[in-house]
Amino acid sequence: KAGVTQTPRYLIKTRGQQVTLSCSPISGHRSVSWYQQTPGQGLQFLFEYFSETQRNKGNFPGRFSGRQFSNSRSEMNVSTLELGDSALYLCASSLKPGRWNFGAGTRLSVL
Amino acid sequence: ILNVEQSPQSLHVQEGDSTNFTCSFPSSNFYALHWYRWETAKSPEALFVMTLNGDEKKKGRISATLNTKEGYSYLYIKGSQPEDSATYLCAFRASGTYKYIFGTGTRLKVLA
Repeated sequence: KAGVTQTPRYLIKTRGQQVTLSCSPISGHRSVSWYQQTPGQGLQFLFEYFSETQRNKGNFPGRFSGRQFSNSRSEMNVSTLELGDSALYLCASSLKPGRWNFGAGTRLSVL
Repeated sequence: ILNVEQSPQSLHVQEGDSTNFTCSFPSSNFYALHWYRWETAKSPEALFVMTLNGDEKKKGRISATLNTKEGYSYLYIKGSQPEDSATYLCAFRASGTYKYIFGTGTRLKVLA
């Protein structure tokens, strides 16, 4: 069974640009969550989607948005990038609450 | 704001040593506590799901205990091996929400 796939793996952008990250969950998993990890910080929760609806949202500015499609694939968008947005972005999918299967992450560098 | 803390932040042990670390979480409105292992350049991997006060879970040389009344969980590794080197994360879920709050992790390095 294929795992959670995140694309791209690495991304370099400049301040002010916008970026879209993609996550394909494990087949059959309807819940997808997104996390941000920066040096010295734990995984910071961004949002969670279930059946195309945002079920939970973390404390991030409105520049961070996401969506989920009918096939459970999810995208995360960050507009007007700032240097502080440089981080590893992890996506996780689950069949049952909390039993997260994580992807390998997208490492975003903002210059 | 719910706070989940892990200690120590990092740890170096010799191969064969046993070790343990702590995850502290709010003692009210507990629903579940999860442990993950995150090896460098890999994805976090689920270790344990703990839901009941007094829970003890074991997977090979790794075990975990849970005390929801005082708000902590311990992770133990018996006879550490170099392949145990990783960051160990705990994640707390309060009742009434699907949101998980992760600790900052304990980075373990086992020296051969």
